Amino acid sequence: DAKTTQPTSMDCAEGRAANLPCNHSTISGNEYVYWYRQIHSQGPQYIIHGLKNNETNEMASLIITEDRKSSTLILPHATLRDTAVYYCIVRAPSGNTPLVFGKGTRLSVIA
Amino acid sequence: DAGITQSPRHKVTETGTPVTLRCHQTENHRYMYWYRQDPGHGLRLIHYSYGVKDTDKGEVSDGYSVSRSKTEDFLLTLESATSSQTSVYFCAISPGTGGYEQYFGPGTRLTVT
Repeated sequence: DAKTTQPTSMDCAEGRAANLPCNHSTISGNEYVYWYRQIHSQGPQYIIHGLKNNETNEMASLIITEDRKSSTLILPHATLRDTAVYYCIVRAPSGNTPLVFGKGTRLSVIA
Repeated sequence: DAGITQSPRHKVTETGTPVTLRCHQTENHRYMYWYRQDPGHGLRLIHYSYGVKDTDKGEVSDGYSVSRSKTEDFLLTLESATSSQTSVYFCAISPGTGGYEQYFGPGTRLTVT
């Protein structure tokens, strides 16, 4: 699986958009970009994934650059409950491939 | 949220005793996983299942066994618990199609004394 690079931490004002970047310059053609988050003492939570097109669901939007070497997760209106560690993962879609979480980005949403 | 429950949520046990953790899903997903999470090691896969009675090892399977006799239940057994197995255990499920994204349960905090 390709490695990813994320900032260690970020702050965001409540109600503003949170833009979390991820670099994955060695991504392969069959690998997807996945985002998960983990709120303190809870299980990891799946957010969104994409291959090359931008994706949006009820939680977030995922913007993938045309060369697929980087992506941005956008939480459009961050709330205090979005404070968590966010993980960007690149992997081929497969049932026998475990998730490997790196260090992620600790997002703090501030009132 | 995906319908995944884990039981028990907390357990304290003594070294050498067997322990069984249960994961139950209501989503009829094909894949089920057991991970452990420890400070400094992140999330590590113990075992996974790709169907009833079909299981395979992950990277940290020593000292653990699993069973899946029904689609909805995946059991993790610590055959003889050791202090090194003190951890938070997460179950996850995946539909086995599309992006194979995984949905996690709330976790079981196990302490082996």
